[in-house]
Amino acid sequence: AQSVAQPEDQVNVAEGNPLTVKCTYSVSGNPYLFWYVQYPNRGLQFLLKYITGDNLVKGSYGFEAEFNKSQTSFHLKKPSALVSDSALYFCAVRALPNQAGTALIFGKGTTLSVSS
Amino acid sequence: NAGVTQTPKFQVLKTGQSMTLQCAQDMNHNSMYWYRQDPGMGLRLIYYSASEGTTDKGEVPNGYNVSRLNKREFSLRLESAAPSQTSVYFCASSESPGGDSDTQYFGPGTRLTVL
Repeated sequence: AQSVAQPEDQVNVAEGNPLTVKCTYSVSGNPYLFWYVQYPNRGLQFLLKYITGDNLVKGSYGFEAEFNKSQTSFHLKKPSALVSDSALYFCAVRALPNQAGTALIFGKGTTLSVSS
Repeated sequence: NAGVTQTPKFQVLKTGQSMTLQCAQDMNHNSMYWYRQDPGMGLRLIYYSASEGTTDKGEVPNGYNVSRLNKREFSLRLESAAPSQTSVYFCASSESPGGDSDTQYFGPGTRLTVL
């Protein structure tokens, strides 16, 4: 079965420093990987996705993610963090067509806290 | 273009009461989904509808029913609410299930408390 793990419940970083939010996955076949962000009392917003192609994927708000097949990882990165980046981040993998359609399987989420 | 809308935003129920959560999308998407979000557990799929006229169970379907009313609307019904169903419920939609361009878009959520 497909699964996603986010090993850190919380990541703390100072404004202006680079940030990384970690994600590892377990899939059968080629992975379809996603990152979403959730601000307090809001729905999930799509940040970026990896389907095929370049291992470095660029997304919204200056975020990027690096796909590493040998390490089965899809870490979210940003070169310079902003206080406004503070939010809950979810990594997700798309289910196989015969497993809940094309629904997403989510990690438990990582809270990013950026201090000024 | 409102995207995915959900009603109500908040609801408090007593154990045993019933209610229906409404979801609508205006993006002409084929697939729609219901998830629940619980602290420390991420989002879990309750039911999904790959296309108009079809619905299927997800990871946690017990205690819920769904109706894909038409292409735009997908409702979630709690027949007899239980405290374990206290959660935040999100509806999502996507254009083309299985396609490389497929991305899910989420509504703002419904916060449900069952006393």
